[in-house]
Amino acid sequence: GAGVSQTPSNKVTEKGKYVELRCDPISGHTALYWYRQSLGQGPEFLIYFQGTGAADDSGLPNDRFFAVRPEGSVSTLKIQRTERGDSAVYLCASSFWGLAENNNNEQFFGPGTRLTVL
Amino acid sequence: AQSVAQPEDQVNVAEGNPLTVKCTYSVSGNPYLFWYVQYPNRGLQFLLKYITGDNLVKGSYGFEAEFNKSQTSFHLKKPSALVSDSALYFCAVRDHMNSGGYQKVTFGTGTKLQVIP
Repeated sequence: GAGVSQTPSNKVTEKGKYVELRCDPISGHTALYWYRQSLGQGPEFLIYFQGTGAADDSGLPNDRFFAVRPEGSVSTLKIQRTERGDSAVYLCASSFWGLAENNNNEQFFGPGTRLTVL
Repeated sequence: AQSVAQPEDQVNVAEGNPLTVKCTYSVSGNPYLFWYVQYPNRGLQFLLKYITGDNLVKGSYGFEAEFNKSQTSFHLKKPSALVSDSALYFCAVRDHMNSGGYQKVTFGTGTKLQVIP
């Protein structure tokens, strides 16, 4: 596709349920990022993938959050035992990646998944 | 630790007037700086970036930003605002570490730009 796609666009779930959010990055982008954006805030970093591996998961708030990227393309963010405080827009972004001195590429964002936990 | 500050929650400007959206940053090394725009119910769109070189960076839709190292600022500017520029603007920074490796991007809290017809 031409851009980063995310599904579903909206997800409403009940407290305690499990949810999966999907991200399909731009073809050829080896770097993939997940962010969480709460109302009135900027994107908050969650996790970064380089290829299939999570190179930095320091932004995941707790062990209820997990993400995978098994084939180095599509990624799934998984949230267990959802809480009302997890309600936010979850953004995915992808970018090219290269040598260290070229690690300045802008990230291309998807439209996000709006998660509402009742 | 790196950080970004956008001191204005909202900026109002009349159509046709110049606009400025402020951003200051803090990093350990040299900064990579970005501006993104977010329209309602849309993802963030890249506007421009500063990596090195000229302090005045030109980007999409007629926007530009000026890097000022002494003031640690990277203000977004446009000579003549359009109503269609009304959106949420985010400044972002990444620390350039000479040792290489990954450094995550930190976003500001955003500034709502309202262009009044």
